Amino acid sequence: GQQLNQSPQSMFIQEGEDVSMNCTSSSIFNTWLWYKQDPGEGPVLLIALYKAGELTSNGRLTAQFGITRKDSFLNISASIPSDVGIYFCAGQLEGGSEKLVFGKGTKLTVNP
Amino acid sequence: DSGVTQTPKHLITATGQRVTLRCSPRSGDLSVYWYQQSLDQGLQFLIQYYNGEERAKGNILERFSAQQFPDLHSELNLSSLELGDSALYFCASSSNWGSGQETQYFGPGTRLLVL
Repeated sequence: GQQLNQSPQSMFIQEGEDVSMNCTSSSIFNTWLWYKQDPGEGPVLLIALYKAGELTSNGRLTAQFGITRKDSFLNISASIPSDVGIYFCAGQLEGGSEKLVFGKGTKLTVNP
Repeated sequence: DSGVTQTPKHLITATGQRVTLRCSPRSGDLSVYWYQQSLDQGLQFLIQYYNGEERAKGNILERFSAQQFPDLHSELNLSSLELGDSALYFCASSSNWGSGQETQYFGPGTRLLVL
């Protein structure tokens, strides 16, 4: 099936640092979504992107829909301990099924 | 709080048994999705329903089945359970399926442990 390559797989950073993660694919997507999941909890939607080139912010989070429609990135600025968790990207393929394709996640650890 | 509810929160059962997981979508959402997440794994799409009808199938085993009722709540039935079925099961709902702007909101999940 279709895959999203999400990187990095894990990150260990100091509080206050900025973070960047991305998802890439060989396929074209209509929608990019970024979720955060805490252990044992459901993924929480952070940002939704619907247009190529779109740049959207949600507090300290910023995400962009790549101009080629094959990638997206998520930046977190001035990280804090509660940013710890697993971040997933998800995309809806152009012309394909309506179901979302998920990346394998980026596990973020923030050291105080 | 996403507005999606799932019950039960935790479920412990034995191999060979059958369980039913329940999901209520956000108010007004017609589309319901089921996902399985094993330990340290990503989300595996199982099945989608829209307004009572099955719309898409993913990696769902034949031992698993689902349905969506007229009040839009959904149930995922897992039968002949095996140890490997132990996982988190998530339900998600969406109001804009088919619009090209798919956005899914997830419930808190049901943690299933098969002993």
